[in-house]
Amino acid sequence: SQTIHQWPATLVQPVGSPLSLECTVEGTSNPNLYWYRQAAGRGLQLLFYSVGIGQISSEVPQNLSASRPQDRQFILSSKKLLLSDSGFYLCAWNLGSAYGYTFGSGTRLTVV
Amino acid sequence: GIQVEQSPPDLILQEGANSTLRCNFSDSVNNLQWFHQNPWGQLINLFYIPSGTKQNGRLSATTVATERYSLLYISSSQTTDSGVYFCAVGSGNTPLVFGKGTRLSVIA
Repeated sequence: SQTIHQWPATLVQPVGSPLSLECTVEGTSNPNLYWYRQAAGRGLQLLFYSVGIGQISSEVPQNLSASRPQDRQFILSSKKLLLSDSGFYLCAWNLGSAYGYTFGSGTRLTVV
Repeated sequence: GIQVEQSPPDLILQEGANSTLRCNFSDSVNNLQWFHQNPWGQLINLFYIPSGTKQNGRLSATTVATERYSLLYISSSQTTDSGVYFCAVGSGNTPLVFGKGTRLSVIA
């Protein structure tokens, strides 16, 4: 069966420090991969999505970047964190528009 | 882009009551999903329902694509139903756009 792993679960980082969040999917091939962020309140904002290795689409220009070095691995990075980067980061996958999304358990990032 | 509006924003129910959550969207879609976010933040996919009606236990959902709305029904609510319910839509191969959610509190 397919599973999605996201880590770390919680992270506290100082302003200006780098960031690397990792998401991996098991049990499937060539998934679509997504990074969403949920700020205080409750809306989910799409940050990046990828339909294949090395293919990244950005929805929100900011100091975050994403990479997909392997088929089932999606990484969210930043060189220098801002206070406004705090939030709940969620990774998701699916196999196309006719399929539901499956979300990872998320990473709670607090920038101090 | 597509706009998604959910109502009501907040809902408080007595255990055992029924409820209807609504999702309106601004354009035609070929992907509509309902999610439940539990108090720990985990998002669970409830329904993939771009059109028609589906049922899963005490939950059911109906999407009327031509009128651009979807409804989520919760019957005989339980305290474990508490959390935030999201509607999300997409068209073509674009990623899902989420509504702001309905926060449900079920009181024993």
